[in-house]
Amino acid sequence: GAVVSQHPSRVICKSGTSVKIECRSLDFQATTMFWYRQFPKQSLMLMATSNEGSKATYEQGVEKDKFLINHASLTLSTLTVTSAHPEDSSFYICSAIPGQNSYEQYFGPGTRLTVT
Amino acid sequence: EDQVTQSPEALRLQEGESSSLNCSYTVSGLRGLFWYRQDPGKGPEFLFTLYSAGEEKEKERLKATLTKKESFLHITAPKPEDSATYLCAVQASFGNEKLTFGTGTRLTIIP
Repeated sequence: GAVVSQHPSRVICKSGTSVKIECRSLDFQATTMFWYRQFPKQSLMLMATSNEGSKATYEQGVEKDKFLINHASLTLSTLTVTSAHPEDSSFYICSAIPGQNSYEQYFGPGTRLTVT
Repeated sequence: EDQVTQSPEALRLQEGESSSLNCSYTVSGLRGLFWYRQDPGKGPEFLFTLYSAGEEKEKERLKATLTKKESFLHITAPKPEDSATYLCAVQASFGNEKLTFGTGTRLTIIP
């Protein structure tokens, strides 16, 4: 149980284009999902908290107009990187919490974004 | 501000050589401390949650312990497949379920 998937696993896009990453909870419903980014040999940094049916909460320093988050259902959250630039190249990982009485976050396999 | 510091940054052990990884933390009220394993190019895999000082949890060759200031991940008689980066994270009692991560310990087990 508690499986989270992400799609795509890898994506290469040209500078100035937008790319969408999907995060799905496969065997549970998640009212809250989280988006992280991870640079090489660094730890995970929380970008935003995604709440089903409401606006995402962004961490300080994260541009909400650049990183659009939509949590349209209890099993799907999407992160759209708009007008991507090479500095947006990173490993993006989502997580979700299964159940209201649990605090444990289960992570997806990650999406490697490369902007050329 | 919540902070997590992990040491050592990297650790190389011979197969069968037991050791411990350290996670020191400061948090405004601890809801939980979490250990994850991360393999290269993959998302973190959940290992343990510890909620209060004195608590211990075990899974195969791994044992996690918690005090009021730090947590240890003990690895007993490790095997090469235990090689990975081990991440520690804390969640504060107040606010949302945000996790603050340490930078991890990169563990290599040499056959």
